[in-house]
Amino acid sequence: KQEVTQIPAALSVPEGENLVLNCSFTDSAIYNLQWFRQDPGKGLTSLLLIQSSQREQTSGRLNASLDKSSGRSTLYIAASQPGDSATYLCAVSGGGADGLTFGKGTHLIIQP
Amino acid sequence: NAGVTQTPKFRVLKTGQSMTLLCAQDMNHEYMYWYRQDPGMGLRLIHYSVGEGTTAKGEVPDGYNVSRLKKQNFLLGLESAAPSQTSVYFCASSYSAAMGETQYFGPGTRLLVL
Repeated sequence: KQEVTQIPAALSVPEGENLVLNCSFTDSAIYNLQWFRQDPGKGLTSLLLIQSSQREQTSGRLNASLDKSSGRSTLYIAASQPGDSATYLCAVSGGGADGLTFGKGTHLIIQP
Repeated sequence: NAGVTQTPKFRVLKTGQSMTLLCAQDMNHEYMYWYRQDPGMGLRLIHYSVGEGTTAKGEVPDGYNVSRLKKQNFLLGLESAAPSQTSVYFCASSYSAAMGETQYFGPGTRLLVL
């Protein structure tokens, strides 16, 4: 059974810092990996999707990498802003129609 | 274009009562999913559907039933609610299960079972 772990569970940093969120998964036979953002009381918003054949994806200040063989992904946030405060979720797809397997998330606070 | 909508946003039930959660999407997506999110547990898949008239069990299906009578709607039913079903329920949809396809999530339904 696929298991997804996110480290750290919580992170608080001053505004302007660059930071890295980590995600690991136990079964390397994934179809894709996604990073989501969740604001309090809200749904999930997809940030980046990395297909299994890709190594990284970038969107603005966000960069996600994937090392499928080692079962790891990182989300790099450059020049963090208070508006980046949210919970970030990592999820993997096994390729079937049976949904995503999620990590428990990293709760990020950016201090003004 | 509303995306994925969920009804209701919040509900309080007494143990043993029944209710139906409605998910609707206007993106003509084939695949639809119901997840629950609990503190310390992350999101877990309850049931999913790969097209109109189809349903399948996910990781935690016990105590729930689903129906997909119309392509745009996916209903989640609780026949006899239990306190363990207190959770936030999220619906999601996707066009397919292809490698580059993401899932689009609704805003969630908060359910409290007393």
